[in-house]
Amino acid sequence: EVQLVESGGGLVQPGGSLRLSCAASGFSFRNYWMTWVRQAPGKGLEWVANIKFDGTEKYYADSVKGRFTISRDNADNSVYLQLSSLRAEDTAFYFCARDESPGNIFTGYYDALDFWGRGTMVTVSS
Amino acid sequence: AIQMTQSPSSLSASVGDRVTITCRASQGIRNELGWYQQKPGKAPKLLIYGASSLQSGVSSRFSGSGSGTDFTLTISSLQPEDFATYYCLQDYNYPRTFGQGTKVEIK
Repeated sequence: EVQLVESGGGLVQPGGSLRLSCAASGFSFRNYWMTWVRQAPGKGLEWVANIKFDGTEKYYADSVKGRFTISRDNADNSVYLQLSSLRAEDTAFYFCARDESPGNIFTGYYDALDFWGRGTMVTVSS
Repeated sequence: AIQMTQSPSSLSASVGDRVTITCRASQGIRNELGWYQQKPGKAPKLLIYGASSLQSGVSSRFSGSGSGTDFTLTISSLQPEDFATYYCLQDYNYPRTFGQGTKVEIK
């Protein structure tokens, strides 16, 4: 059974840092892109970052570029999100998701976030 | 970044109704779009990828169509478990961007 379990959330002051973890199990983690998505309380979904299966490519939302860093450890089946220079507007539930990447070299590969964790809450407040 | 605009923002419908949600991209994105369903307090669920490919295990009453800038998610016969918020997500380029969501409520 595929499982994704986020951890590391909590209350942090503006300007502070936090490291989120997502522990994966039940699938061959090293073969999948992984994505972080967040959702502020009562708001919509916001794509945050993703990372290629081997860690060689990483992409970020404009709102977090230069402040957040995504990484992974395939030996540990985990993906991480380092949050720095935190602002009140970073307050949100943070979800990690597996990207199935269906497709082929002829059609191209699509994003398909097929399994999600339950999320971890980050609150930025003084 | 590509802007994704969903309409309507919310709708009221009855069980058995045919429901259509649209998503418009600020530039052409070929067919690189997915649809997700989210219920309160839960993680999103993938419904459609590649604009029209139904994710395994998802009911066939859900269908997606469109290409370029205009896309549609259709629920052929609304069921009680379909009351939720729906989001589109473009995967044409980076950064990926979601639509603002469409809340489907019970009439």
